[in-house]
Amino acid sequence: DADVTQTPRNRITKTGKRIMLECSQTKGHDRMYWYRQDPGLGLRLIYYSFDVKDINKGEISDGYSVSRQAQAKFSLSLESAIPNQTALYFCATGSPGALSEQFFGPGTRLTVL
Amino acid sequence: AQRVTQPEKLLSVFKGAPVELKCNYSYSGSPELFWYVQYSRQRLQLLLRHISRESIKGFTADLNKGETSFHLKKPFAQEEDSAMYYCALRGDNYGQNFVFGPGTRLSVLP
Repeated sequence: DADVTQTPRNRITKTGKRIMLECSQTKGHDRMYWYRQDPGLGLRLIYYSFDVKDINKGEISDGYSVSRQAQAKFSLSLESAIPNQTALYFCATGSPGALSEQFFGPGTRLTVL
Repeated sequence: AQRVTQPEKLLSVFKGAPVELKCNYSYSGSPELFWYVQYSRQRLQLLLRHISRESIKGFTADLNKGETSFHLKKPFAQEEDSAMYYCALRGDNYGQNFVFGPGTRLSVLP
């Protein structure tokens, strides 16, 4: 399912570097999300956006920022990467409604040395 | 506050044995509950949701509001069921987001 794509798929960076993770979707959904996945902690919400002009902090937004460039694009930035931001990052899209679900991208594995 | 717990990090069963993956939640309103699954080298995907009352790949889950649980069950496990399973909750207020549990890794042994 290529409806939600993420770039890069893997990235190794050094402490203090700024890095951007990109997400694109062709599902036409207004809602987009960024999560990080850590072993034993599951998925935790970083930021979410319900439309281009709407950006909201999630559970763990410190150290991250986002940009919703268009309905189809939602980027996550690490302003100054630190080692405990090493994780698997997922982008997801969704639509409102009783039968809503989230559609996930393949993930970006980020390592901060 | 919304919270989802999955007490087992790892669950191992033999092929053909029954499976029950536990999920408990805390939420003051009427939540929507979901199970998501992540197979090896695949992306996270929806398995089932309580509102649809469906059985997918032999799995079922019943929402028990009294016990605040949404356990996932299958009578006879198959090796291809081996995966990471996440229970998720969405609140009933506009703008509520999904809250995921920590996940349970199911390993079905031959």
